[in-house]
Amino acid sequence: AQSVTQPDIHITVSEGASLELRCNYSYGATPYLFWYVQSPGQGLQLLLKYFSGDTLVQGIKGFEAEFKRSQSSFNLRKPSVHWSDAAEYFCAVGAPGTDKLIFGTGTRLQVFP
Amino acid sequence: GAGVSQTPSNKVTEKGKYVELRCDPISGHTALYWYRQSLGQGPEFLIYFQGTGAADDSGLPNDRFFAVRPEGSVSTLKIQRTERGDSAVYLCASSLLGLAGAPGDEQFFGPGTRLTVL
Repeated sequence: AQSVTQPDIHITVSEGASLELRCNYSYGATPYLFWYVQSPGQGLQLLLKYFSGDTLVQGIKGFEAEFKRSQSSFNLRKPSVHWSDAAEYFCAVGAPGTDKLIFGTGTRLQVFP
Repeated sequence: GAGVSQTPSNKVTEKGKYVELRCDPISGHTALYWYRQSLGQGPEFLIYFQGTGAADDSGLPNDRFFAVRPEGSVSTLKIQRTERGDSAVYLCASSLLGLAGAPGDEQFFGPGTRLTVL
């Protein structure tokens, strides 16, 4: 069965600093991979997704993620964080041929001015 | 409608009571999902509908939980004999075709229903 690990529960960065949120998955083949963001009182919003092709994926709000098969990772990056990026970030994996997503436990991002 | 809507936004009930949570998906979306998010956790899959039928209900925790989608649009999640451990935010999502039919198909999430069982 597939699983997702987000090793960092809470990350604090200064505004303007770069960001990397880690995500590791467990699955026997290449899964579908997603990053979602959840702001307080808001629903989950898709930032980006990978299902095939180029392993570097561009998303909304200046985020990108890179699929590394050898490391079973799909880390989320942003070169310069804005205060509005403070939120909870979830990595999710889907197995091809199925429809359910398996989510990690999330990483809470705090941004200091 | 512009997005997925869920009602009520908050529901407080007493242990042992029956509750219904409603989800209105994006118009035209054939796939509908229910997830449960407990405090400090990521969403946990409950059930997936393709049209009117439950294609995967492997995430329903026990037989107190049941969901329907009779006309292939609105869905209702029903919980019988609620327990304190059922307290969570229940999320609904919809997608145009579903991942299995359309790799990379995006799931759009609603704002959730916060269920509190006293």
